[in-house]
Amino acid sequence: ETGVTQSPTHLIKTRGQQVTLRCSSQSGHNTVSWYQQALGQGPQFIFQYYREEENGRGNFPPRFSGLQFPNYSSELNVNALELDDSALYLCASRVFSGTDTQYFGPGTRLTVL
Amino acid sequence: AQSVTQPDIHITVSEGASLELRCNYSYGATPYLFWYVQSPGQGLQLLLKYFSGDTLVQGIKGFEAEFKRSQSSFNLRKPSVHWSDAAEYFCAVGGGEGNMLTFGGGTRLMVKP
Repeated sequence: ETGVTQSPTHLIKTRGQQVTLRCSSQSGHNTVSWYQQALGQGPQFIFQYYREEENGRGNFPPRFSGLQFPNYSSELNVNALELDDSALYLCASRVFSGTDTQYFGPGTRLTVL
Repeated sequence: AQSVTQPDIHITVSEGASLELRCNYSYGATPYLFWYVQSPGQGLQLLLKYFSGDTLVQGIKGFEAEFKRSQSSFNLRKPSVHWSDAAEYFCAVGGGEGNMLTFGGGTRLMVKP
């Protein structure tokens, strides 16, 4: 157990809808990252938040957005869902430093129909 | 840009046999390297990490990995595999934009009784 929790566990949406996924960081961690893991692939970095601001982003369009709250919990929002957005979404928390380890939550499985 | 290659998509070993999972990385500076394990439907669990110093690192569950700069490799090893080791294994390199992790495509390990 890493202390990182995510909700919901599973979610089914239809194309064009919007979705919000939630993450609660491990106690003491001030940085959260989100990753997308398509079936049969490794996770891909979406973005990272530190002190409630985005401070790093992977190759994902603006319809992927996020929030980090003062208690270090976080949300991932995806607008205008596409079929290819079906994936396992993982959040990871850590203390902001160059060498700190990221600890992952169990993920949210999103299915877009 | 950083990248990770795991050449073996699937590996099957007999219980009690030794294991080596290959990982090759591309990164412009001194890499931070990680091995994570993922059981079906689960998040990622950190097995071990390399930041600096001794190139042979020990991890949990009896795993170890060796960093070889000349070969740009960070192979994972275990002397005797247990049936519970069956899972997907991901190698990752850290750094770059937001200190993100870049993952390989994973190696699925199956263990024969």
